[in-house]
Amino acid sequence: QQQVKQSPQSLIVQKGGISIINCAYENTAFDYFPWYQQFPGKGPALLIAIRPDVSEKKEGRFTISFNKSAKQFSLHIMDSQPGDSATYFCAASNGGGADGLTFGKGTHLIIQP
Amino acid sequence: GAVVSQHPSRVICKSGTSVKIECRSLDFQATTMFWYRQFPKQSLMLMATSNEGSKATYEQGVEKDKFLINHASLTLSTLTVTSAHPEDSSFYICSARGQGANTIYFGEGSWLTVV
Repeated sequence: QQQVKQSPQSLIVQKGGISIINCAYENTAFDYFPWYQQFPGKGPALLIAIRPDVSEKKEGRFTISFNKSAKQFSLHIMDSQPGDSATYFCAASNGGGADGLTFGKGTHLIIQP
Repeated sequence: GAVVSQHPSRVICKSGTSVKIECRSLDFQATTMFWYRQFPKQSLMLMATSNEGSKATYEQGVEKDKFLINHASLTLSTLTVTSAHPEDSSFYICSARGQGANTIYFGEGSWLTVV
């Protein structure tokens, strides 16, 4: 059972555009929703995370939008740059992050110059 | 920020031998560490959760006798792949969480190739 569904699988965006990646979850006990960026051969790096008590969180060019009733959350990358080209994973866990993360399948993002 | 270090970053071992991967939290005490496995172009799959001083909790389908996890101190967890086989070749990644903290930090990962 895939508990976190991520889409699209791959995404190509022009430089300066907005990259949008979506995730949907099934387990209503999830209460911590982070996004990770991973470059080839490297471990994932935390970008931004949100908890269900807020609907949006912004850090620099990265914004998470969270819809609790729809059990969906999304990552928006504003003014996308070629250096943003990477694989992005959404994830979710219980216990405010205390439990292990359940990851989405990932989105391969390419920013074209 | 918090840093989690893994060693070795790459290891090649012969089939049938055992290999140990270390995960260290460098500037915080990690009460909980997690081990993940990632095949090329796939997502991360949680293998086990370890709490300092207690036995690890393994996810369904993960052989605990094959993937030995030890979390002997608040800054070190080890994963030992025993009797390794080529199908164990993968990218192994650890993550750590400090006591009372809400953020999980990942290590850089360890590439294991079994020949």
